Amino acid sequence: RKEVEQDPGPFNVPEGATVAFNCTYSNSASQSFFWYRQDCRKEPKLLMSVYSSGNEDGRFTAQLNRASQYISLLIRDSKLSDSATYLCVVNDNDMRFGAGTRLTVKP
Amino acid sequence: DAGVTQSPTHLIKTRGQQVTLRCSPKSGHDTVSWYQQALGQGPQFIFQYYEEEERQRGNFPDRFSGHQFPNYSSELNVNALLLGDSALYLCASSFWGGEGTYEQYFGPGTRLTVT
Repeated sequence: RKEVEQDPGPFNVPEGATVAFNCTYSNSASQSFFWYRQDCRKEPKLLMSVYSSGNEDGRFTAQLNRASQYISLLIRDSKLSDSATYLCVVNDNDMRFGAGTRLTVKP
Repeated sequence: DAGVTQSPTHLIKTRGQQVTLRCSPKSGHDTVSWYQQALGQGPQFIFQYYEEEERQRGNFPDRFSGHQFPNYSSELNVNALLLGDSALYLCASSFWGGEGTYEQYFGPGTRLTVT
């Protein structure tokens, strides 16, 4: 089993849609979790940190389920500018990245 | 305030050669991590430096080595380059703040092509 697994994607959605990404991790002792966004040929940029049961930032909501070792990212009212690859990251003393899920928002 | 900077931006090397990549962390950050990102994959952790020492290491061979300087900047060295070393090399600087907060920012990366 991979340490961090994400939906393979790609996700192609219309503007205004709600889209959810899932991520599972293998180390039950992991303590901190993040979602990063990466645009094509650019570096990853921190989107959200997920420290407890989850948090919300505008149109973005991250949820953490420790019992199931599962993290999700929900994007509401998606915009064209949300098109990117979304990386799930688990901090196990070093940062473990998933392979990413590509999202394309179409007009 | 400059963010994380890396040099060079692009590099082409031949198999068997050696390469050195450089990174300057974000102001106030004391920890530098290096990642390798192959096309279509997420970044893979190479190692992390703190107080000029390698603190953590991922599953990479000894051909990959590094260094951190007193000003927190860092170098990644790769010896005996293989075709499979072609990738985007990302440097990230980080800082543990109060109340368990943690921030990590990436540099723009160095794209290495080995021919």
